[in-house]
Amino acid sequence: SQELEQSPQSLIVQEGKNLTINCTSSKTLYGLYWYKQKYGEGLIFLMMLQKGGEEKSHEKITAKLDEKKQQSSLHITASQPSHAGIYLCGADIKNSGGSNYKLTFGKGTLLTVNP
Amino acid sequence: GAVVSQHPSWVICKSGTSVKIECRSLDFQATTMFWYRQFPKQSLMLMATSNEGSKATYEQGVEKDKFLINHASLTLSTLTVTSAHPEDSSFYICSAFGPLSNSPLHFGNGTRLTVT
Repeated sequence: SQELEQSPQSLIVQEGKNLTINCTSSKTLYGLYWYKQKYGEGLIFLMMLQKGGEEKSHEKITAKLDEKKQQSSLHITASQPSHAGIYLCGADIKNSGGSNYKLTFGKGTLLTVNP
Repeated sequence: GAVVSQHPSWVICKSGTSVKIECRSLDFQATTMFWYRQFPKQSLMLMATSNEGSKATYEQGVEKDKFLINHASLTLSTLTVTSAHPEDSSFYICSAFGPLSNSPLHFGNGTRLTVT
């Protein structure tokens, strides 16, 4: 089974609408990362969360990590076509420790924003 | 700007040949780099951890002799797909933490490998 579950798998929204993507694990997330990927390209780092209850925002994107550190959400406010892409959550679920821990990734959420 | 550079962006090769993919850290030293593989509509799968000056650590199920990793310098790791077959066709992405000690994991732009 997938160690990191992302939902929904795909999402189509109208420009200007808000949306939320979720990332869930049965294991503790010792470091939770959100990335955006355009098909066939590399990953763009969005945000990193480490503490339970932590919340970070950048422009119109807000990411939260729950208190138990097993679920994270990515919220986009007033979506724009430029937000379209694949959103991936990645996490250290094995508590690798140190400064070079390994990340496990979810399958991604394909976001389409219609103008 | 980009902190990790990957080359080439795409490559087409014939079955049985070998292909080398380069991953460079830009303006910082990366003692550890990670190689991932991604199939269409699938998540990133960690293949191996590349360690400067020592052998790479491979994930379970990844053939060491098939995917040769060399991390000869603090800014360069290479992945060589040996005796490539069509099933090796995939998107390969490298990554590294940096440039600061508390920096997140940054990814290269990936390499699209097609084996004919």
